[in-house]
Amino acid sequence: DAGVIQSPRHEVTEMGQEVTLRCKPISGHNSLFWYRQTMMRGLELLIYFNNNVPIDDSGMPEDRFSAKMPNASFSTLKIQPSEPRDSAVYFCASSRRDSGEAFFGQGTRLTVV
Amino acid sequence: AQKVTQAQTEISVVEKEDVTLDCVYETRDTTYYLFWYKQPPSGELVFLIRRNSFDEQNEISGRYSWNFQKSTSSFNFTITASQVVDSAVYFCALSSAFGNEKLTFGTGTRLTIIP
Repeated sequence: DAGVIQSPRHEVTEMGQEVTLRCKPISGHNSLFWYRQTMMRGLELLIYFNNNVPIDDSGMPEDRFSAKMPNASFSTLKIQPSEPRDSAVYFCASSRRDSGEAFFGQGTRLTVV
Repeated sequence: AQKVTQAQTEISVVEKEDVTLDCVYETRDTTYYLFWYKQPPSGELVFLIRRNSFDEQNEISGRYSWNFQKSTSSFNFTITASQVVDSAVYFCALSSAFGNEKLTFGTGTRLTIIP
């Protein structure tokens, strides 16, 4: 299995631009998570989906952030407009519901200048 | 609310020494899972172990061992005969077993193995 695939691996964008991060979960996994890692806040959950349905988005910092999961094999996290404080590594993870084990992608390092 | 505390921010040991990484957790759930993840310099998060709250048996996997003590809400991780490749940031995490697996992470311990 290829594991969780995230793209792009690195993204540099200017403040005010729209950024879209992409994730392909492991086939057969029905839970998908978006985490953000920063030096100040560590690893924090932004949103997660079960069977493509958003369950908890309380970690999404602002309305500038949105996430979608149109099907079981694809999810996006969009930031519009982006700000320098959004600079972080964004991880996507997937798991089988109730398995208790999440597998992480390699992350997208976002830099907003 | 759930909370995971890793009081050791950074640890350095000489190669071949044993090292223990501490993890203390707080939860009101009676059923929960505890995890350890490794984040090497390359940045990915690598799953190491999951432990169910009902299973307090210690576990050993090669040079790695885990000590789960429910009485003290601790889930410590020991590396025996450390190697340079063990250098990484290690995260302890907690999740509820009730219908979802979202993880609450500790702040991590940066482990450096000195050759």
